[in-house]
Amino acid sequence: AQSVTQLGSHVSVSEGALVLLRCNYSSSVPPYLFWYVQYPNQGLQLLLKYTSAATLVKGINGFEAEFKKSETSFHLTKPSAHMSDAAEYFCAVSVIEGAQKLVFGQGTRLTINP
Amino acid sequence: DAGVIQSPRHEVTEMGQEVTLRCKPISGHNSLFWYRQTMMRGLELLIYFNNNVPIDDSGMPEDRFSAKMPNASFSTLKIQPSEPRDSAVYFCASSAGGLSNQPQHFGDGTRLSIL
Repeated sequence: AQSVTQLGSHVSVSEGALVLLRCNYSSSVPPYLFWYVQYPNQGLQLLLKYTSAATLVKGINGFEAEFKKSETSFHLTKPSAHMSDAAEYFCAVSVIEGAQKLVFGQGTRLTINP
Repeated sequence: DAGVIQSPRHEVTEMGQEVTLRCKPISGHNSLFWYRQTMMRGLELLIYFNNNVPIDDSGMPEDRFSAKMPNASFSTLKIQPSEPRDSAVYFCASSAGGLSNQPQHFGDGTRLSIL
């Protein structure tokens, strides 16, 4: 069964610093992977998705993620953090069984220090 | 284009009362999902529909919960009777195409408090 592990429930970086949010997945078949962001009192918003094309995926707001099959990872990065990036980030894997269920990680809360 | 629309945004009610949450998916999307989010359990899929038909309701906590999708533009999640442990944020999401690589688009949620 597919699963997702996000390493670190809280990450804190300084404004302008590199953001790195870690996600490892478990899947018996090539997965579809997604990163979502949730701002306070809002729903989840898609940042980017991997669907077996390019392994380096660029998303909105300057974020990108790299699919590494050998490491079963899909880490999210941004070169320079902005205060507006403070939010909760969720990694998700698609359960490929002819259906569309997404399995979400527990989330990582990103704090940006001035 | 309008996104997924949920109502009400906030609901406070007393234990034992019936609660109905509503969702309007994005026009043209044929899959709809109901989630529950709590601090303790994170984001849980309750049920999802494809072409208005319930496909998987294995996440529905118990018989007090029911969901319907009478047409392509409307779905309800009902809790009867409600209990304090049902307090959570409930999200509706929709997606297009019925394929696993299609992203889900979320509404802003209903924050439910059962007193």
